[in-house]
Amino acid sequence: EVRLLESGGGVVQPGGSLRLSCAASGFTFNTYAMNWVRQAPGRGLEWVSTINGDGTGTFYPDSLQGRFAISRDNRGNTVSLSMRRLRAGDTAIYYCARGRSASGRDNFDFWGQGTLVTVSS
Amino acid sequence: QVVVTQEPSLAVSPGGTVTLTCGSSIGAVTSGHSPYWFQQKPGQAPTTLIYDTTNKHSWTPARFSGSLLGGKAALTLSGAQPEDEADYYCLLSYSGARRIFGGGTKLTVL
Repeated sequence: EVRLLESGGGVVQPGGSLRLSCAASGFTFNTYAMNWVRQAPGRGLEWVSTINGDGTGTFYPDSLQGRFAISRDNRGNTVSLSMRRLRAGDTAIYYCARGRSASGRDNFDFWGQGTLVTVSS
Repeated sequence: QVVVTQEPSLAVSPGGTVTLTCGSSIGAVTSGHSPYWFQQKPGQAPTTLIYDTTNKHSWTPARFSGSLLGGKAALTLSGAQPEDEADYYCLLSYSGARRIFGGGTKLTVL
């Protein structure tokens, strides 16, 4: 059974940093790309980042390039999202989602339950 | 800035049929955009219903189907059930591995 468990959410002050993690199980981790998708309160879904199976390729929307960084540990079966210079608009539930292949060019099949990040003073 | 458009809300009667659409502000949606459709119920994480325009996952109810229709991606629900009441999001892929979600359609079954 594929399982994705996010952690690391919480309250952070504007301008601060936070690192989210997603622990994966139930599949051969390094043969799938991994992704982060977020959802602000009462709003729609927004793609945040993708990393391919061997970690050599990362992708971001232009709006987040430079502030967010995705990484993965294929030995520990985890994917992380480092976020810096956080602002109120980054407040959201952050979901970890598995890609359908290793390439990072396919989109998501399985989703975690999400972790809430609140940026507030 | 590309915008992916969906109907904000739709309603369908139990047992009825409804089609949700997904358009792109820069032109027709094609299979090259690899349209995906997701369902999200209140307080829950999204689930993936349709991938690459028409393909279903093992957990996708047979009453859902995906297609291209009039230059848009489409999700058709045939034989709506009360449990299908949810938000539905489409996702299109663009060059440079960019992915853009639509704003979502709130589907009411009444």
